[in-house]
Amino acid sequence: EAGVAQSPRYKIIEKRQSVAFWCNPISGHATLYWYQQILGQGPKLLIQFQNNGVVDDSQLPKDRFSAERLKGVDSTLKIQPAKLEDSAVYLCASSLVTQDEKLFFGSGTQLSVL
Amino acid sequence: DQQVKQNSPSLSVQEGRISILNCDYTNSMFDYFLWYKKYPAEGPTFLISISSIKDKNEDGRFTVFLNKSAKHLSLHIVPSQPGDSAVYFCAASASGNQFYFGTGTSLTVIP
Repeated sequence: EAGVAQSPRYKIIEKRQSVAFWCNPISGHATLYWYQQILGQGPKLLIQFQNNGVVDDSQLPKDRFSAERLKGVDSTLKIQPAKLEDSAVYLCASSLVTQDEKLFFGSGTQLSVL
Repeated sequence: DQQVKQNSPSLSVQEGRISILNCDYTNSMFDYFLWYKKYPAEGPTFLISISSIKDKNEDGRFTVFLNKSAKHLSLHIVPSQPGDSAVYFCAASASGNQFYFGTGTSLTVIP
């Protein structure tokens, strides 16, 4: 079974630039999550999708972050414009159903904003 | 506002001995707790969970203990193996809502 795929693995941009991350969840997984993990901290949920609908985006900085999951499969997370404090690892995870303990994480995208 | 805390950033243990990783939480509404393990350059992987109706859950070498009155849980690994060297995160949720993660404890098992 293929795992959660994320790209790119690394991205370096300058502040005020835009960046986009892509995630393809495990086939058949209805729920998709984007987490932000700042160095020295635990993962923090940014947004949760159930199929192509948003379940929770309460911690998403909506003035600069956006995410979509068209067709209920893969998803993109965009930051525009980026700030220095956005430097982090962005983790995508999926689960078969909502409220499922077994979140399967991708390897993440490490973003450095200079 | 850190609702889940792992106060030990790192832990070193000799191979074959017990590793004890600790986690504290502040939200009394949390009723489900998980431990995840993370190797460098990989995403976290699920390790073991416990519901608030239990005080212990065991899976092979891994046991999680929950003390609700103290708002504390711990992960015991016995015996510890070098392959257990990783960062361990605890996470908690209330009624199936989002999981709040701790900051992680880096475990090193010395051969």
